[in-house]
Amino acid sequence: NAGVTQTPKFRVLKTGQSMTLLCAQDMNHEYMYWYRQDPGMGLRLIHYSVGEGTTAKGEVPDGYNVSRLKKQNFLLGLESAAPSQTSVYFCASTDLDRFERGEPGELFFGEGSRLTVL
Amino acid sequence: GNSVTQMEGPVTLSEEAFLTINCTYTATGYPSLFWYVQYPGEGLQLLLKATKADDKGSNKGFEATYRKETTSFHLEKGSVQVSDSAVYFCALSPGYSSASKIIFGSGTRLSIRP
Repeated sequence: NAGVTQTPKFRVLKTGQSMTLLCAQDMNHEYMYWYRQDPGMGLRLIHYSVGEGTTAKGEVPDGYNVSRLKKQNFLLGLESAAPSQTSVYFCASTDLDRFERGEPGELFFGEGSRLTVL
Repeated sequence: GNSVTQMEGPVTLSEEAFLTINCTYTATGYPSLFWYVQYPGEGLQLLLKATKADDKGSNKGFEATYRKETTSFHLEKGSVQVSDSAVYFCALSPGYSSASKIIFGSGTRLSIRP
């Protein structure tokens, strides 16, 4: 079972370059999320989506854009990378049924993408 | 607002030692509480959960009890193994349905010596 797959897993950028992280899930989940993980700060939500064609800002959205053109894919873009965006990025997903059963918070994560901005 | 506070790591124990990782929370209403584990080089995965006060979540020998009176959800294991070495995250989901309101603690790194 593939679950949640992130590409690329590693990337080094120079300041000002752009890139896109791809998240793909094969579980037919409605909800998808992008988090960043920094030492001592846990996971912080960047953007999320509650369905195809929808996106919303999370806790730390500045400097990032997202798109959800297909239900199974959630793209995270950096238009002009900055050293402060050096981090490990995680994609996660969950399904609507869990929320309707009152089980929010049970997320399925990808393996992460380590991004370094020089 | 809602928040989760975990004990700072790293925590280093010998194999077969007793483990406690503290987690306290602040929330309005009746949140659900979770422990996630992140093994080296992997994403987070759900370890256990509790959705109401006095519930005990358990999995793989780990346990945590939802204590509303102390607003805590401490993770415990009676005898740790080297394979338990990982980063552990406490998380909270508010009592109302919202896709964006899941909050994670800062994580506690656990290392087990053989």
